Amino acid sequence: GAVVSQHPSRVICKSGTSVKIECRSLDFQATTMFWYRQFPKKSLMLMATSNEGSKATYEQGVEKDKFLINHASLTLSTLTVTSAHPEDSSFYICSARAAGVPAETQYFGPGTRLLVL
Amino acid sequence: DAKTTQPPSMDCAEGRAANLPCNHSTISGNEYVYWYRQIHSQGPQYIIHGLKNNETNEMASLIITEDRKSSTLILPHATLRDTAVYYCIVNGANSKLTFGKGITLSVRP
Repeated sequence: GAVVSQHPSRVICKSGTSVKIECRSLDFQATTMFWYRQFPKKSLMLMATSNEGSKATYEQGVEKDKFLINHASLTLSTLTVTSAHPEDSSFYICSARAAGVPAETQYFGPGTRLLVL
Repeated sequence: DAKTTQPPSMDCAEGRAANLPCNHSTISGNEYVYWYRQIHSQGPQYIIHGLKNNETNEMASLIITEDRKSSTLILPHATLRDTAVYYCIVNGANSKLTFGKGITLSVRP
């Protein structure tokens, strides 16, 4: 149980285009999903917290107009990188927090590697 | 800021127990200790968590000192597939996970 998927697993796009990444909780309902970014040889950095049916909360320094997050259902959140540039190339990872468990535990997706040319 | 400190790396022989230490001297009463690991180029994997009692599951054991200022993750029989970065995270209920640098465990044949 507690499986989280991401699609696509890797994507290459041209500078200036937009890229959408999907995050799904496959066997549980997730009222909260998180989006992280990881640069090579660095640790995960939280970008935003996404609650189903409400606006996402962005971490300091993360542009909300550039990284659009939608959490329309209890099993799906999407991250859209708008007008992507080479510096947006990174490993994007989502996680989902299962409701109803005694302590807060996040389950992570396999990640999406984005390369902007 | 991460509330934990871990050595940067350690190694162990395949088949032996791997004991990964973590210091969290500023932990407060309602904060849990979580362990995740990240194998190269994959998303982090949840391992175990605990509040004050020792915990065991199919993956590992978590030993928390009585004063809760440190803990040890034990992989009882390490395999080559356990080579990964292991993150010790202190987290209160409903709060965010903050990843530090973790400890790189290398399991040698």
